[in-house]
Amino acid sequence: EAGVTQFPSHSVIEKGQTVTLRCDPISGHDNLYWYRRVMGKEIKFLLHFVKESKQDESGMPNNRFLAERTGGTYSTLKVQPAELEDSGVYFCASSQAVNYGYTFGSGTRLTVV
Amino acid sequence: GDSVTQMEGPVTLSEEAFLTINCTYTATGYPSLFWYVQYPGEGLQLLLKATKADDKGSNKGFEATYRKETTSFHLEKGSVQVSDSAVYFCALSARTGANNLFFGTGTRLTVIP
Repeated sequence: EAGVTQFPSHSVIEKGQTVTLRCDPISGHDNLYWYRRVMGKEIKFLLHFVKESKQDESGMPNNRFLAERTGGTYSTLKVQPAELEDSGVYFCASSQAVNYGYTFGSGTRLTVV
Repeated sequence: GDSVTQMEGPVTLSEEAFLTINCTYTATGYPSLFWYVQYPGEGLQLLLKATKADDKGSNKGFEATYRKETTSFHLEKGSVQVSDSAVYFCALSARTGANNLFFGTGTRLTVIP
């Protein structure tokens, strides 16, 4: 089966611009998670979708970040406007059921200059 | 709150050397513990896991034992190979409450021939 796909793999944008990251989970996986690793630090949870609903968005850093999952399939994470501290690697993961086991994508490396 | 403290890197070893990467955790209740690995250019992959005290997770020659008394889950391998070069992340998942993973900062391992 196809894995979790994320794109773009890399993005370099200027401060103040908007960027949209996309995640395609494994087909049939209702649970979709976003995580972020800021340079050299731990990977931190951002939010969790169950189908199209936000189950937990406690990790979203501020209102410049907007995540959607229309139709319960792929998800997008938009950063608007981007700030320097938003630079990092954004990971997406999906799972069949909660606590079942995650499959991660290869991540999107975002650089804000 | 729940957290993971992981040995700082980077770690450089010669082929066939013994590897230990330390990981300790803080959690309420009885979490599940994981080691994830990220090879260059790839996503996070589950390496091994343990779901209760004294369980030993193992895979690809790596082992880690869930030690409740010392709140530790150290990763070990008796003889590393060049192909083991990667970033290793310790993580926990709380049994109840949040469904997300808490990660350590990651340890970069480089194995030289």
